[in-house]
Amino acid sequence: GQQLNQSPQSMFIQEGEDVSMNCTSSSIFNTWLWYKQDPGEGPVLLIALYKAGELTSNGRLTAQFGITRKDSFLNISASIPSDVGIYFCAGQLPQGGSEKLVFGKGMKLTVNP
Amino acid sequence: ETGVTQTPRHLVMGMTNKKSLKCEQHLGHNAMYWYKQSAKKPLELMFVYNFKEQTENNSVPSRFSPECPNSSHLFLHLHTLQPEDSALYLCASSLPQRGRGGGYTFGSGTRLTVV
Repeated sequence: GQQLNQSPQSMFIQEGEDVSMNCTSSSIFNTWLWYKQDPGEGPVLLIALYKAGELTSNGRLTAQFGITRKDSFLNISASIPSDVGIYFCAGQLPQGGSEKLVFGKGMKLTVNP
Repeated sequence: ETGVTQTPRHLVMGMTNKKSLKCEQHLGHNAMYWYKQSAKKPLELMFVYNFKEQTENNSVPSRFSPECPNSSHLFLHLHTLQPEDSALYLCASSLPQRGRGGGYTFGSGTRLTVV
């Protein structure tokens, strides 16, 4: 089945540092999504990307939909302690209206104050 | 509060017990999903319902039995579970949109421990 390769699997950074993570796939996706999961909670949508090449920002977060439609990255600038959590990428396959998503394995972020 | 409510938040059950997990959304979404999230493993899709009809069963053991009485409610009935079934069970919903998927809205999950 389709797989998303998400890297790195974990990061330990100091408060104030920038973070970058990406996802790649052998499949083409119509939509790329980035989620964050706080401990003990469900994933929450951070950014959605709908067009190849699209670059979207949400506060300190910036994400891009790769030109080939097979990859995406997420950057977090000037990290703060509440950025701690697991970040997931997800891609929606071009299946004519289906919402079925494929998820990456997640990147666990630890921010040291 | 995301709009998808899961109850209970925590559940401890014995291997011979029968229990049910509940998920409810009033977002007007037509698709609902059950996911299993185990430690150090990716999200595992279990079941998909579209307009109350099950459209996907991802080879889930029969000790997990889903029920979707309407587009707003989803249940996961549990019986004779094993300790390895201990995990966070997440419910999600979505509104299928051609060409511009809005992604899933997740609930906070039920932390299940099988003893």
